[in-house]
Amino acid sequence: AQRVTQPEKLLSVFKGAPVELKCNYSYSGSPELFWYVQYSRQRLQLLLRHISRESIKGFTADLNKGETSFHLKKPFAQEEDSAMYYCALSFFQGGSEKLVFGKGTKLTVNP
Amino acid sequence: EAGVAQSPRYKIIEKRQSVAFWCNPISGHATLYWYQQILGQGPKLLIQFQNNGVVDDSQLPKDRFSAERLKGVDSTLKIQPAKLEDSAVYLCASSAPLAGSSGANVLTFGAGSRLTVL
Repeated sequence: AQRVTQPEKLLSVFKGAPVELKCNYSYSGSPELFWYVQYSRQRLQLLLRHISRESIKGFTADLNKGETSFHLKKPFAQEEDSAMYYCALSFFQGGSEKLVFGKGTKLTVNP
Repeated sequence: EAGVAQSPRYKIIEKRQSVAFWCNPISGHATLYWYQQILGQGPKLLIQFQNNGVVDDSQLPKDRFSAERLKGVDSTLKIQPAKLEDSAVYLCASSAPLAGSSGANVLTFGAGSRLTVL
């Protein structure tokens, strides 16, 4: 079954430190992976998608098919990065596109 | 563009009562989703519409949950009767293929409707 695993429920770092939020997926086909973010009192929104291969707010994520991972990284964390981060897997099944979310990681960046 | 609108934002009911949530997606978005997000968990898909047809309702507890999307625009999600475990945030999202982009659709989420069942 298609599944997304985010092993860390909570992650706390200091401002300026590197941060990595882990995401592993289970899918036998060709996956498309996303990171969605929810800042305090805001809506869930797209942060980045792997096919764009771009850096958003200093974050990058590389799809590693061998390790079935899509970890989110930022070299220097900022306090405004504190939020809930959800990894999501998109795939086609039964003729329609599905999106499955992980349980999320709460990132806290301390001053 | 206007975002995805949801109402009510908050609802408190007693178990066995009924509740309905409304969603107005982004204009032109053919696909509409209802997700349930229980505290401490990621969003779980309840039902997905393509225009006014259901494409996935495999995780919808059909004995108590129902949803419709008349005319392929607005949608309502109903729970009757509610149970304690239905306490959650109900998220509506819509999507459409990005112009000039390949790959999966990007979802735009509403603010959510927080349900508390006592």
